[in-house]
Amino acid sequence: EAGVAQSPRYKIIEKRQSVAFWCNPISGHATLYWYQQILGQGPKLLIQFQNNGVVDDSQLPKDRFSAERLKGVDSTLKIQPAKLEDSAVYLCASSFSVNQPQHFGDGTRLSIL
Amino acid sequence: GEDVEQSLFLSVREGDSSVINCTYTDSSSTYLYWYKQEPGAGLQLLTYIFSNMDMKQDQRLTVLLNKKDKHLSLRIADTQTGDSAIYFCAESLGGATNKLIFGTGTLLAVQP
Repeated sequence: EAGVAQSPRYKIIEKRQSVAFWCNPISGHATLYWYQQILGQGPKLLIQFQNNGVVDDSQLPKDRFSAERLKGVDSTLKIQPAKLEDSAVYLCASSFSVNQPQHFGDGTRLSIL
Repeated sequence: GEDVEQSLFLSVREGDSSVINCTYTDSSSTYLYWYKQEPGAGLQLLTYIFSNMDMKQDQRLTVLLNKKDKHLSLRIADTQTGDSAIYFCAESLGGATNKLIFGTGTLLAVQP
């Protein structure tokens, strides 16, 4: 079974630029999550989708972050404009349903200069 | 509030047992998870335990849950150098979102 795929693996941008990350969940997984992991910390949930609907985006900084999962499969997370404090690893995870274990991709490491 | 705490670092010798501890605060947690993160990689699900269980064994891994004290531990038997990684404990809050709250991670260093 293929795992959660994310791209790119690394991204370096300057502050105030925009960036987008892509995630393809495990086939058949209805629930998709985006997490932010700052160096030395555990992951923190940014947004959770159930199929193509948002279940929880309470921790998403909506003035600069946006995410979509239009067809209920792939998802993109965008930051515009980026700030220095957005430097982190952005992890995508998926689960078969809400109450099933979450499986993670390898993440995108974002550095803001 | 929701909080998960772990010790930062553990060093063991190859072949010894490792015990990684975790405490959490939310008594309504439904599942508790252990994930492993190697350098530059995402989180690998190791094992999980339902909140009405007190022990789960899976090959070299043993999870112990003390719900009264809100304490979770992961024991790795016959620790190998390939077990060197950061280990994260996470509690799920159940409900409509089953949100995971992660600890800060414990760095396990296995000395040959």
